Amino acid sequence: GAVVSQHPSWVICKSGTSVKIECRSLDFQATTMFWYRQFPKQSLMLMATSNEGSKATYEQGVEKDKFLINHASLTLSTLTVTSAHPEDSSFYICSAPSSGRSYEQYFGPGTRLTVT
Amino acid sequence: AQRVTQPEKLLSVFKGAPVELKCNYSYSGSPELFWYVQYSRQRLQLLLRHISRESIKGFTADLNKGETSFHLKKPFAQEEDSAMYYCALGAFGNEKLTFGTGTRLTIIP
Repeated sequence: GAVVSQHPSWVICKSGTSVKIECRSLDFQATTMFWYRQFPKQSLMLMATSNEGSKATYEQGVEKDKFLINHASLTLSTLTVTSAHPEDSSFYICSAPSSGRSYEQYFGPGTRLTVT
Repeated sequence: AQRVTQPEKLLSVFKGAPVELKCNYSYSGSPELFWYVQYSRQRLQLLLRHISRESIKGFTADLNKGETSFHLKKPFAQEEDSAMYYCALGAFGNEKLTFGTGTRLTIIP
């Protein structure tokens, strides 16, 4: 089946710095990818839809200047957390929809971000 | 607006007992419904979708448009079923999924 990878799997950064997380579709192309945030033992919160060749679409309440998304190619989307603060510490997950299979999504393994 | 409700955050069931995880949705159009599962330390993965009308790992889910429900059922729970289960709603023409808050299922040996 289709595989989505994320890099890094975990990262620790200091408050005020920026962190980039990559999401790749390994064996299929994805014009759209989704970025989620998951709090401990809680649900997935959709942050934004990453669109290849155009601007990302952010969900209500998500700061677009803080969470920069770039969909550089048909297999790569990046999420940059700018000027990170401890409250940005979370588990970030990306997904990419399959084509022609009724909107099934393939999820990456997630990236654990800890801001100190 | 689309909404998915999973009323139970936690559910504990004895091994061998029946399991039912509830899911209700709100959507004015024709829904596409899914159950995703996340086992401990693993990524989220698709368990089943309503359009396939299939049984996966003994689980089934029937879409009831009258009750706007898509409950997940299994007649005899197994220990390996312990996981986080998410109900998700898709809309025709939009690849975005709306997830419920999830139910953590624990199977008691």
